[in-house]
Amino acid sequence: GQNIDQPTEMTATEGAIVQINCTYQTSGFNGLFWYQQHAGEAPTFLSYNVLDGLEEKGRFSSFLSRSKGYSYLLLKELQMKDSASYLCAVKYNFNKFYFGSGTKLNVKP
Amino acid sequence: DTEVTQTPKHLVMGMTNKKSLKCEQHMGHRAMYWYKQKAKKPPELMFVYSYEKLSINESVPSRFSPECPNSSLLNLHLHALQPEDSALYLCASSQALDPRKNIQYFGAGTRLSVL
Repeated sequence: GQNIDQPTEMTATEGAIVQINCTYQTSGFNGLFWYQQHAGEAPTFLSYNVLDGLEEKGRFSSFLSRSKGYSYLLLKELQMKDSASYLCAVKYNFNKFYFGSGTKLNVKP
Repeated sequence: DTEVTQTPKHLVMGMTNKKSLKCEQHMGHRAMYWYKQKAKKPPELMFVYSYEKLSINESVPSRFSPECPNSSLLNLHLHALQPEDSALYLCASSQALDPRKNIQYFGAGTRLSVL
């Protein structure tokens, strides 16, 4: 819903940096979330942006540009355990939440 | 503690059965959510409760009936389901629906198979 677009799959090397992009429809925007989901498990909250700019939490950072309808999740010092799907979720007016289809990240040794 | 507990973990039911999924949180959160997730697809919002009142029903068929008996519990009653309803059902909670209070914490889900 709401044209939330993410790349389907990405591959990166252990120790490297990877950026996962997300674009979304801007009308009615109320906040953007990033979740990590390992296969067969529940999504785990990573970060939240409601204002423009960068939010940093350890190895994970998330950036938001509301005017461009664009966000990215930056993962530094990649570890094998970071192999998972990364879901971009957007809250719109009237408490509507929509998830993107997710980006499957493969971390290789 | 950011734990949301869902029971059962797995459920197999026939199309004529009645069953219930349960979700519990003790974080004092006042918003609770049901999502449906099919394999290799993102979660899809079904229902949102805020302060024990139904806030959002995303046009979910009536064979799914949510209930919020108190601020810690959320149930999903199932009746006359179809095989295509087989999925992972996720419960989530957040402090509230207000901006900056709506970070959702998810339970591990109930994997439902309808035969």
